Amino acid sequence: IAGITQAPTSQILAAGRRMTLRCTQDMRHNAMYWYRQDLGLGLRLIHYSNTAGTTGKGEVPDGYSVSRANTDDFPLTLASAVPSQTSVYFCASSDSGTGSEAFFGQGTRLTVV
Amino acid sequence: GQNIDQPTEMTATEGAIVQINCTYQTSGFNGLFWYQQHAGEAPTFLSYNVLDGLEEKGRFSSFLSRSKGYSYLLLKELQMKDSASYLCAVLDSNYQLIWGAGTKLIIKP
Repeated sequence: IAGITQAPTSQILAAGRRMTLRCTQDMRHNAMYWYRQDLGLGLRLIHYSNTAGTTGKGEVPDGYSVSRANTDDFPLTLASAVPSQTSVYFCASSDSGTGSEAFFGQGTRLTVV
Repeated sequence: GQNIDQPTEMTATEGAIVQINCTYQTSGFNGLFWYQQHAGEAPTFLSYNVLDGLEEKGRFSSFLSRSKGYSYLLLKELQMKDSASYLCAVLDSNYQLIWGAGTKLIIKP
């Protein structure tokens, strides 16, 4: 693994189904983030984690949950998917508390039908 | 509330210069980032400004005025591969990134 990796790259999901988007980084960054990106709205923060064992809510957390059991992994779960969760999801990581850049995964394109 | 404003779309000619502006109102300031995002790809880091002034990096330069809540990204000698969206983001007092909606830059031959 080099950098930050997301899986799957794309998914079509039936409404009401549960889905977990995976994110793994090998840079030992303490902070990780989940964003959704919709046309005309830019990146919106769903949840974040400043360090392993802690998580926080972002701008649009409803319908999503996260966990941070260790430094490397930060999965995002949709408990019961709805069509409004159709979006491109990006995971990112950085050294929090500094002005260091955020590194992004390649994105997951999710369509809820 | 927190707000980042940038133009939705700009068009420029190959070989020319373009300036993309960003104004911000945030709770605290710990720096401003510019990212480039090609269609269908992830954002990639371009620049970081925390002090007033101009930072130059090859064909790209970024300027910051904290008193005016203003930044710009200057792209010189435009190439077709510069066609992309350019995202402005501010690191607020909690070290959270606040993102603008992005500026789609179209380069014409």
